[in-house]
Amino acid sequence: GQQLNQSPQSMFIQEGEDVSMNCTSSSIFNTWLWYKQDPGEGPVLLIALYKAGELTSNGRLTAQFGTTRKDSFLNISASIPSDVGIYFCAVRLSGTYKYIFGTGTRLKVLA
Amino acid sequence: NAGVTQTPKFQVLKTGQSMTLQCAQDMNHEYMSWYRQDPGMGLRLIHYSVGAGITDQGEVPNGYNVSRSTTEDFPLRLLSAAPSQTSVYFCASSSNPGTRGDTFFGQGTRLTVV
Repeated sequence: GQQLNQSPQSMFIQEGEDVSMNCTSSSIFNTWLWYKQDPGEGPVLLIALYKAGELTSNGRLTAQFGTTRKDSFLNISASIPSDVGIYFCAVRLSGTYKYIFGTGTRLKVLA
Repeated sequence: NAGVTQTPKFQVLKTGQSMTLQCAQDMNHEYMSWYRQDPGMGLRLIHYSVGAGITDQGEVPNGYNVSRSTTEDFPLRLLSAAPSQTSVYFCASSSNPGTRGDTFFGQGTRLTVV
């Protein structure tokens, strides 16, 4: 089946540092989403991207929809302890309401 | 202020037992879905519905049934539980799938099949 590869799988960073993570696919998708999941909770939608090359911000978060439509990037600036969690990318299968999720990037912030 | 409510939060089943995971939303959303989350595998779509009376299969539908008789409720039925169905199950709802701010997940049901 189709897969989304997220990297890194996990990362430790110091508070105040910037964070970058990415999500790649071997197939083209027209909708890319980024979610965050806190421990014991369901995922929360952070950013949705609908156009190749689009760059969208949500506070300290910035996500980009790659121009090839096969990847997306999420950056977090000036990380804080509450950024801890798992970040998932997801794509929507064209013409359907089906979504595929990546395996996640687990972020740990050291104060 | 409820959003998406899942019950129960925890459940232990014996192999072969059946049960229904409940999901209700109070936002009048048309789109609802069920995912399972296993370690290292992200979320995988089980079934989804685009409105009352309309359901379709996702990526991993085997062993699960759904129905959508009302806009608010979307129960997931395990027909004969197997250890491979041990997982965390999430229900989600959206008025417009993929739109920022419009997708809501429940808090999950942690199911163990022994």
